Amino acid sequence: RKEVEQDPGPFNVPEGATVAFNCTYSNSASQSFFWYRQDCRKEPKLLMSVYSSGNEDGRFTAQLNRASQYISLLIRDSKLSDSATYLCVVNGGSASKIIFGSGTRLSIRP
Amino acid sequence: GAVVSQHPSWVICKSGTSVKIECRSLDFQATTMFWYRQFPKQSLMLMATSNEGSKATYEQGVEKDKFLINHASLTLSTLTVTSAHPEDSSFYICSAVDRGFKAFFGQGTRLTVV
Repeated sequence: RKEVEQDPGPFNVPEGATVAFNCTYSNSASQSFFWYRQDCRKEPKLLMSVYSSGNEDGRFTAQLNRASQYISLLIRDSKLSDSATYLCVVNGGSASKIIFGSGTRLSIRP
Repeated sequence: GAVVSQHPSWVICKSGTSVKIECRSLDFQATTMFWYRQFPKQSLMLMATSNEGSKATYEQGVEKDKFLINHASLTLSTLTVTSAHPEDSSFYICSAVDRGFKAFFGQGTRLTVV
């Protein structure tokens, strides 16, 4: 089993829809969690951190479920510009233990 | 947010030559940096973990003699692709980790070996 797993997608949804995807992790000792966004032919960029209490930033909501060992990202009122690959990142407690998921591709259609 | 500078952003080289890529953390010290490779429409593949002042840790299948990593200071790591061949053509990305364990990426280097 991979340490961090994501549904690769693609998720193809209409503009304005709400879309959510999860990321599961295997190391129960993981301490830090993040969502990154990567546009085509660009480097990944930090989208948001995921806190135990959840985290909301505008249309984006990230949640952590430690019991089931997954994090989620919810995008409301999706825009065409949200089309990208979303990567989850899990950290096992040190700078050298950062694990990236393989990414979920999201495509928003008009 | 933190800035990581990577250059060159693109390079074309002849087969058999070596290419050096630099990765700098501009506003924080990074004891650990990572080097990734990404082929078109594929996910990031971790090549190696670079630790300041010590040898890099390479992922399985990555040739350490071909991909030389030097992390000479807390703000600079370099990746040298030695004796490059066309199959080494790819998008190489570095990242540096801050104290909060957030990873910040360089802009990437698109390497084309002809």
